[in-house]
Parts: sequence; C-alpha cells; structure tokens
Amino acid sequence: EAGVAQSPRYKIIEKRQSVAFWCNPISGHATLYWYQQILGQGPKLLIQFQNNGVVDDSQLPKDRFSAERLKGVDSTLKIQPAKLEDSAVYLCASSPRAGASRYEQFFGPGTRLTVL
Amino acid sequence: AQSVTQLGSHVSVSEGALVLLRCNYSSSVPPYLFWYVQYPNQGLQLLLKYTTGATLVKGINGFEAEFKKSETSFHLTKPSAHMSDAAEYFCACQGAQKLVFGQGTRLTINP
Repeated sequence: EAGVAQSPRYKIIEKRQSVAFWCNPISGHATLYWYQQILGQGPKLLIQFQNNGVVDDSQLPKDRFSAERLKGVDSTLKIQPAKLEDSAVYLCASSPRAGASRYEQFFGPGTRLTVL
Repeated sequence: AQSVTQLGSHVSVSEGALVLLRCNYSSSVPPYLFWYVQYPNQGLQLLLKYTTGATLVKGINGFEAEFKKSETSFHLTKPSAHMSDAAEYFCACQGAQKLVFGQGTRLTINP
C-alpha cells in the first residue's frame, strides 16, 4: 500500500512570508497528525484530526498556524506569517480507524522548512 | 500527562557490538510504547511496539525491547550492530492522550 505522502519536501522562505504544506494519508486511515520536529528534538504534536474534526490542537500556535482536513482525507498546514523559530521539519502521520494498530502511526517523509 | 526520557543523546558502538538505547517513561495509565528510527532526510519508521501481553517484543532489523513496568523502562537492544543501524532513534509513549516522543538518541557505528 502507498505510504503517507507530503509535499513539498523542502521549502525556504523569508520571515513574515506564508507557507503551506500538504499531506495525503494512507487510504482508509481516519486519524491524521501534524508534528513539528525542531533540529535535535523529538517530534511534537501540533494537531490531530479524526476524520475531518479536530481532536487535539492544544500545541498549535493558533495566531500563525492553521490546519484543515477537508472531506476527511488529505490535509494542509499553513503558517502565516512565518518566524525564524518555525524552521523545522513538519511531519504528517496517519493511523488506522480501529483495531490493535490504531495507536500505530505511519509517518510521511516530512517537509523541511527553513525560514531566513 | 505522559513523558519520555531517553538517556544519552548520542551513543557510539563498534560494528558487531551490543547496542543498548535507554528509554524511561512516565504515564498515569498503562502505556503503549514504541521505538521509531529516523534516517537522514526521512520520516520515522516503526521498529517495534508494546501494547499488551508479552513484555519482550521483537522488531525489525534484529532489534528488540523489554517493557519493565517496575522500572518504567523500555530499553532497545540489538546483539550485534551493523553499519546500516546508524540513525536517530526515538522512544515514544501513548498514554491517555497523545503520543509523546523522547528527544532522540543518535546512534553511530564505528567500523
């Protein structure tokens, strides 16, 4: 089966510019996650969707970050305006609807964002 | 809320030597525990997971980990390191809420 797809793989922008990332989860996976991974740290959850509803966005900086998952399939994460400290890898993951594997997350390759 | 501590941000071993990466967790509920590996410029790949049942779990590439509730530990081991094992390793804990990751351990293999 195809894995989690993300684009673009790399993005360089100036501070105060806007940027958007796209994620297409594994087919049939109900839950979608966006993580921020700063260099030298573990991934940190930004937002979790169950189908097209938000389950957890407690660590999403809502003044500049937004995310949506229309139709419960693919998702976009936007940053507007970007700050230097937003430089990181943004990982998308998905997990199955139910069953023993529902807590296993499958990760995409990530988007490396550099803010200058 | 749960937390994960990985002891040692960088571990270096010789090819053929034992690999031991340490992970301790804190969780208010029985946790699900995971080890992920990340190669340069790639996403995270699941090595192994503990949910319930047998406390010694085997994963891909010859890795295994043992869940020790009394020590709140989930250390990752491999009997004989291979050059291809060089990567970043993350321990993660799923408790009542979200999946929480440790800060990672970079494994270097010396020829």
